[in-house]
Amino acid sequence: EIVLTQSPGTLSLSPGERATLSCRASQSVSSSYLAWYQQKPGQAPRLLIYGASSRATGIPDRFSGSGSGTDFTLTISRLEPEDFAVYYCQQYGSSHTFGQGTKLEIK
Amino acid sequence: EVQLVESGGGVVRPGGSLRLSCAASGFTFDDYGMSWVRQAPGKGLEWVSGINWNGGSTGYADSVKGRFTISRDNAKNSLYLQMNSLRAEDTALYHCARDISELGLFDYWGQGTLVTVSS
Repeated sequence: EIVLTQSPGTLSLSPGERATLSCRASQSVSSSYLAWYQQKPGQAPRLLIYGASSRATGIPDRFSGSGSGTDFTLTISRLEPEDFAVYYCQQYGSSHTFGQGTKLEIK
Repeated sequence: EVQLVESGGGVVRPGGSLRLSCAASGFTFDDYGMSWVRQAPGKGLEWVSGINWNGGSTGYADSVKGRFTISRDNAKNSLYLQMNSLRAEDTALYHCARDISELGLFDYWGQGTLVTVSS
């Protein structure tokens, strides 16, 4: 089973700043089958990025994904107040494992 | 509008059983695979089980294999999860999710139904 490790556990930033979230896999993720989800309290997860770098429908272009193999990054270029949430990476090429999440909080 | 609405959660004793349901609307249900994903209180996401568009292929996490059974009724636009031999560690919010890739990529999720296993 591929284990995904996200860092940092918590990221404290201010609106307007740039956020960089990391997801590292224990083995190579095939065909970049790596996705990112956003979850706000009391809500279901929302798909942001799939295929490591493709934005899902309706996702603003301030969200971008990059990486391949075992190292992946989600970047939010300029934080909006609604972006503060928990973010999960997920690999879907070999079983369906999720990372433990990164909480993005307002500084 | 795509909607996924789960039901059937509740409080059950260890060793007991529950059957969860997910009612789908706003899309052609039998065009998609579906999955159940759970979230223990204050914890992260864990894929539980998935089923392809016609029910001919299913998969389970090791933690539930042999205890849980996923099924679907395309005529009723519904997904199910039969949970037997429940354990305390099965306590979680159970979401159903639509799979747009048949590889476990989920574009729509329900709000979830809470299962609590406690004596």
